[in-house]
Amino acid sequence: GENVEQHPSTLSVQEGDSAVIKCTYSDSASNYFPWYKQELGKRPQLIIDIRSNVGEKKDQRIAVTLNKTAKHFSLHITETQPEDSAVYFCAASIGVGGLTGRRALTFGSGTRLQVQP
Amino acid sequence: KAGVTQTPRYLIKTRGQQVTLSCSPISGHRSVSWYQQTPGQGLQFLFEYFSETQRNKGNFPGRFSGRQFSNSRSEMNVSTLELGDSALYLCASNMSPSGTSYNEQFFGPGTRLTVL
Repeated sequence: GENVEQHPSTLSVQEGDSAVIKCTYSDSASNYFPWYKQELGKRPQLIIDIRSNVGEKKDQRIAVTLNKTAKHFSLHITETQPEDSAVYFCAASIGVGGLTGRRALTFGSGTRLQVQP
Repeated sequence: KAGVTQTPRYLIKTRGQQVTLSCSPISGHRSVSWYQQTPGQGLQFLFEYFSETQRNKGNFPGRFSGRQFSNSRSEMNVSTLELGDSALYLCASNMSPSGTSYNEQFFGPGTRLTVL
């Protein structure tokens, strides 16, 4: 079936460095790509999202890039801080309803980011 | 606005039992999705309900079922529990009316189910 692959599964960086997490998807009709941050013991929270008609989106230290041709998108965090330590999930809207056009969010397996002070 | 709420927060059951989990979406949200989160498998999509109808379904056995009420509250039921059903069950609501595009999913705190 259609899926979303996420790499790396763990990432350790020094405070102040940049972190990049990459995801690939298989459904060429996917049109919505959110990124969620889940801190230990808490619920996932949206940090940034991008739609298929946009190639890049930025929000302060966080940016997401989308390459529709290659079917991959990436999360970039600059000037990392210890509070950025969490599990990050990418997701893509994947078709689940055949010709109905219905879509469901399919999540990657997550990346555990650790920012060392 | 109050966020998504889930009850109970913790549950301990034994194999073979059944369980019902509840989710109340953000006021005005008509779409509720359910996910299973385990350490090894990440977030797995179970199903989505919209206007009391199951709109989408993931690849889970028929032991997993759900429903949605007229006030958009949703319940999820798991029958004949197995050890592998131990997980954090998250529900999420969003405003998406059509099912063909998405807006932000807002997650609840989850129900941690332990099957002994």
